[in-house]
Amino acid sequence: GAVVSQHPSRVICKSGTSVKIECRSLDFQATTMFWYRQFPKKSLMLMATSNEGSKATYEQGVEKDKFLINHASLTLSTLTVTSAHPEDSSFYICSLAGDSYEQYFGPGTRLTVT
Amino acid sequence: AQSVTQLGSHVSVSEGALVLLRCNYSSSVPPYLFWYVQYPNQGLQLLLKYTSAATLVKGINGFEAEFKKSETSFHLTKPSAHMSDAAEYFCAVKVTGNTPLVFGKGTRLSVIA
Repeated sequence: GAVVSQHPSRVICKSGTSVKIECRSLDFQATTMFWYRQFPKKSLMLMATSNEGSKATYEQGVEKDKFLINHASLTLSTLTVTSAHPEDSSFYICSLAGDSYEQYFGPGTRLTVT
Repeated sequence: AQSVTQLGSHVSVSEGALVLLRCNYSSSVPPYLFWYVQYPNQGLQLLLKYTSAATLVKGINGFEAEFKKSETSFHLTKPSAHMSDAAEYFCAVKVTGNTPLVFGKGTRLSVIA
């Protein structure tokens, strides 16, 4: 399967600042990538679907101006949390659509906003 | 829209006992079904997947699952639990290659020595 990396793995930022999370596909060209959010002891909630070269499609209730997604190439997608607040603290996981209906997941990024 | 329901947010078994984690799905078209495991503070690891081939699917670490269309179920089993199986398990469904996986709420498996 494809290898997906995320950077950083952990980040702590102050309230009001912006944080960028990178998701890279190391050995697979991903036309479609997904961003999920996971609260402690909860399931993964889809935030948005991004297709290379076009605007992301956000799920209902996800603020597109707060969570900026850029799928600039077939191997890189970024999620920027703008003006972060403590309630944005969460585990963010990217995933790319691979072959055989499988999705390949990154290791996740733990964001803590103080 | 498709969805999955995992019965039991927490399952506790003794070491060596049978593991049974339940998953029922809802889909208007033939689904593709997956089980993932997540260890604390880690990402997801694919255990197994059903993609319309054999209904009994064998995965890693001794797990297997059976797709039962009549029951709309895809329960995960393992004959003998090991301490290292303690983790969070997620059932997930998708209907096409480029649509996202939809996850169940998860079942936390505890293994008692």
